[in-house]
Amino acid sequence: DTAVSQTPKYLVTQMGNDKSIKCEQNLGHDTMYWYKQDSKKFLKIMFSYNNKELIINETVPNRFSPKSPDKAHLNLHINSLELGDSAVYFCASSHVTGTGGYTFGSGTRLTVV
Amino acid sequence: LAKTTQPISMDSYEGQEVNITCSHNNIATNDYITWYQQFPSQGPRFIIQGYKTKVTNEVASLFIPADRKSSTLSLPRVSLSDTAVYYCLVVPLGDQAGTALIFGKGTTLSVSS
Repeated sequence: DTAVSQTPKYLVTQMGNDKSIKCEQNLGHDTMYWYKQDSKKFLKIMFSYNNKELIINETVPNRFSPKSPDKAHLNLHINSLELGDSAVYFCASSHVTGTGGYTFGSGTRLTVV
Repeated sequence: LAKTTQPISMDSYEGQEVNITCSHNNIATNDYITWYQQFPSQGPRFIIQGYKTKVTNEVASLFIPADRKSSTLSLPRVSLSDTAVYYCLVVPLGDQAGTALIFGKGTTLSVSS
């Protein structure tokens, strides 16, 4: 059983398109995150949700909109994609206390052409 | 969150013990020291977490001196498959809803035969 699963694994799309990345966790965690890893390999937090409520919203363009229908899911919708959005996006989850660490998905490689 | 400093890269040979030291001079009382491992094209994986003294699991050991201003991740008898980026983080545990992990550049460990 995959603990944190993301779909799709690869996404190639043209500039200006709208796309979504889905994330699901089966660990019973109450907090979920989206991270972006750019070409320089820096991992940066984008959003954090606790029990479907937005907790952290870093300086991310409002073209990015997370949606959490329930505690086990956190999807990321991106409007009007730009070349600079090309990166690997990781979903993660944890208990609210952070005990036991954070579990990351395997990532979605987004390429905007 | 406390800033950490660790070597950018390390080289080793198979079968050797590798020690990666991390400095976290501004660590707070409720901060735990946490290490993650990231292989290419995968998300970070939680390795070990500790507060003080020594913690050991099936993957690694974590040594933390009394002043907690540094820590050392010890990987016994590394193999080629241990080639990865290792991140040291300090994370407040407890009721910290949505606390995001702040990743630095990590240490790129290269293991050769």
